[in-house]
Amino acid sequence: EAQVTQNPRYLITVTGKKLTVTCSQNMNHEYMSWYRQDPGLGLRQIYYSMNVEVTDKGDVPEGYKVSRKEKRNFPLILESPSPNQTSLYFCASSQPGLAGYNEQFFGPGTRLTVL
Amino acid sequence: AQSVTQPDIHITVSEGASLELRCNYSYGATPYLFWYVQSPGQGLQLLLKYFSGDTLVQGIKGFEAEFKRSQSSFNLRKPSVHWSDAAEYFCAVGADSGYALNFGKGTSLLVTP
Repeated sequence: EAQVTQNPRYLITVTGKKLTVTCSQNMNHEYMSWYRQDPGLGLRQIYYSMNVEVTDKGDVPEGYKVSRKEKRNFPLILESPSPNQTSLYFCASSQPGLAGYNEQFFGPGTRLTVL
Repeated sequence: AQSVTQPDIHITVSEGASLELRCNYSYGATPYLFWYVQSPGQGLQLLLKYFSGDTLVQGIKGFEAEFKRSQSSFNLRKPSVHWSDAAEYFCAVGADSGYALNFGKGTSLLVTP
């Protein structure tokens, strides 16, 4: 089954304790992205990657890191989490079409709480 | 920069009634437009997309959307809503950076018996 998986689905942590949220897709997509979803703000892009070893900042990259060492994986790293990073996080992937944009497939989400 | 506005934060409809969710976009050229649905506790699922061609687009679950360039709109419609349609709906447009999507803030749909 074609899918995007994220782990963990739920995480409660404390300020300053490094964490990683994993994301993996089995569709051989070139493009992967991380979003955070906050009430009243919709989805905002954190980082994206257009291929292996190619990553770039989205709209809200502060406090986050990413890496793309393999095509299928795109982990999100919070080196020193803070309470304002409490949010619902989504990983997404897509295979760009002729015009670039195409349907993005989303993971189930990771709900992170930073105390 | 491309952006979308969803004017309605919450909408309540009765089961069986028709539905229209509004989406206005800001973009000079032909936009690439999407509607996604997020059911409670779930990820986002694509309902339909518009790239070019026929301005009336059919999607899954009985949804359709109409692209109107003159009004800069891409409204989502369904003739008869089911209780299972209760969810959050997001309109999105292809972003300047290429590949990325800019999402609206979403419309929460409540379906009453």
